[in-house]
Amino acid sequence: GAVVSQHPSRVICKSGTSVKIECRSLDFQATTMFWYRQFPKQSLMLMATSNEGSKATYEQGVEKDKFLINHASLTLSTLTVTSAHPEDSSFYICSARGEGASSNQPQHFGDGTRLSIL
Amino acid sequence: AQKITQTQPGMFVQEKEAVTLDCTYDTSDQSYGLFWYKQPSSGEMIFLIYQGSYDEQNATEGRYSLNFQKARKSANLVISASQLGDSAMYFCAMREGLRARSQGNLIFGKGTKLSVKP
Repeated sequence: GAVVSQHPSRVICKSGTSVKIECRSLDFQATTMFWYRQFPKQSLMLMATSNEGSKATYEQGVEKDKFLINHASLTLSTLTVTSAHPEDSSFYICSARGEGASSNQPQHFGDGTRLSIL
Repeated sequence: AQKITQTQPGMFVQEKEAVTLDCTYDTSDQSYGLFWYKQPSSGEMIFLIYQGSYDEQNATEGRYSLNFQKARKSANLVISASQLGDSAMYFCAMREGLRARSQGNLIFGKGTKLSVKP
C-alpha cells in the first residue's frame, strides 16, 4: 500500500530553535498534503493544506509565519516551526493524497513527529 | 457545532468479545465519506474502514464492520473478537464533498480510547 514517510520522529530542542519536519510520499505522487497537530489525548486538528507548487492554505488561527510549509515537489512537503517555544510542543503528523484520488481513498499518514521544546 | 461526535472518551472490552464505538456526524453535503482510524500509543494513524454516503451496504474489513445508519447520521465501528492488540485510540473521521479550499481533508472526532482486558 501507499507509504508516507515522516522525519524526524522525535525532536527535542531549545526554545528559539527552528525545526523542520519532512513528509515524503514514497510510492505515489502526492498532489495534496495535509499537516495536522495533535495535543495529548486530543484529536487531530488540521493546520494547513499544501498543494505542490502553490502556497499552502492555513486553517483559521494558525500562524503562517510561524509554521512555514513548502510543497516543492510531488513527493515532499516540509513544515518548519520557526523560533519554536514550549507552547509549540506537540505531535505533528502529515498525510497525503494522490492526484485523482477518489473520495473513498483514505489519506495515508506519516508516523508523526513528537516535538518537545525546552 | 461539531462535525464528528464521539461520545465515549473511553471504553473497556473483554478479550474475544465484540465492542461498538459510537460516531455521529453532521453535514449538509449529499456526498461524503466516513473513515475510522486506529492510533496506537506509538502515534501512527492506521486506516481501518471506509463507508461512502451512497453505499447501500455496511462496510466490512475483517474483524471491523461499520454500522451505517444514514438517517440517524451515525457510523458506529464494530470490532468483533477483540484482541489485546486492539487497545488504542480510535478516531472517526469524515470527508465532505470536495471543496476548493480544503480539497478533501478529513475532519476528526475527539476519539475513543479502547482498552481490551485479558
